[in-house]
Amino acid sequence: GAGVSQSPRYKVAKRGQDVALRCDPISGHVSLFWYQQALGQGPEFLTYFQNEAQLDKSGLPSDRFFAERPEGSVSTLKIQRTQQEDSAVYLCASRTVNEQFFGPGTRLTVL
Amino acid sequence: ILNVEQSPQSLHVQEGDSTNFTCSFPSSNFYALHWYRWETAKSPEALFVMTLNGDEKKKGRISATLNTKEGYSYLYIKGSQPEDSATYLCAFYGGSQGNLIFGKGTKLSVKP
Repeated sequence: GAGVSQSPRYKVAKRGQDVALRCDPISGHVSLFWYQQALGQGPEFLTYFQNEAQLDKSGLPSDRFFAERPEGSVSTLKIQRTQQEDSAVYLCASRTVNEQFFGPGTRLTVL
Repeated sequence: ILNVEQSPQSLHVQEGDSTNFTCSFPSSNFYALHWYRWETAKSPEALFVMTLNGDEKKKGRISATLNTKEGYSYLYIKGSQPEDSATYLCAFYGGSQGNLIFGKGTKLSVKP
């Protein structure tokens, strides 16, 4: 595809549910990032992949958050036992040498 | 902890007004400063990637300057139009593995 795509675009979950958010990066991009944007904040780094290797997961807020990219292309961010504070826009980006290209995000609302 | 600050938080202008916003960032370990334009329900759109002290870049009615020694960048919009309404984000890149450190953004509303 022409750009980074994410699905679903919107997700409403009940507290305690597990959710899975998908990111399709630009074909051929080695690096992939996940960011979380809470209301009133800027996007904050969650985790980084180079191909299938997760090189940095220091931004994941708790062990309920898990990300994978098993074949070095599509990535999934999973949140277990969602809490209200997980409500945010989750952005995925893939990168060339100089630039990060973002998807439209998944807006997660936890009720 | 690296901190990126943007001001103002929000801005309301009339069509035709020119406006500018500020991004301040750490002056040490600087590699690049990114500006993005983010409209609701769309992907953040890259405006500029700025790397050199004194850089000035322009894209249509939008321009940006960079001062790495004092750690700030300005974004200017000349003759604002309603379609310029968006949140403008700046992001600092320290040149390590590549994650960006974002400010909270400036939300611009342009009234016709």
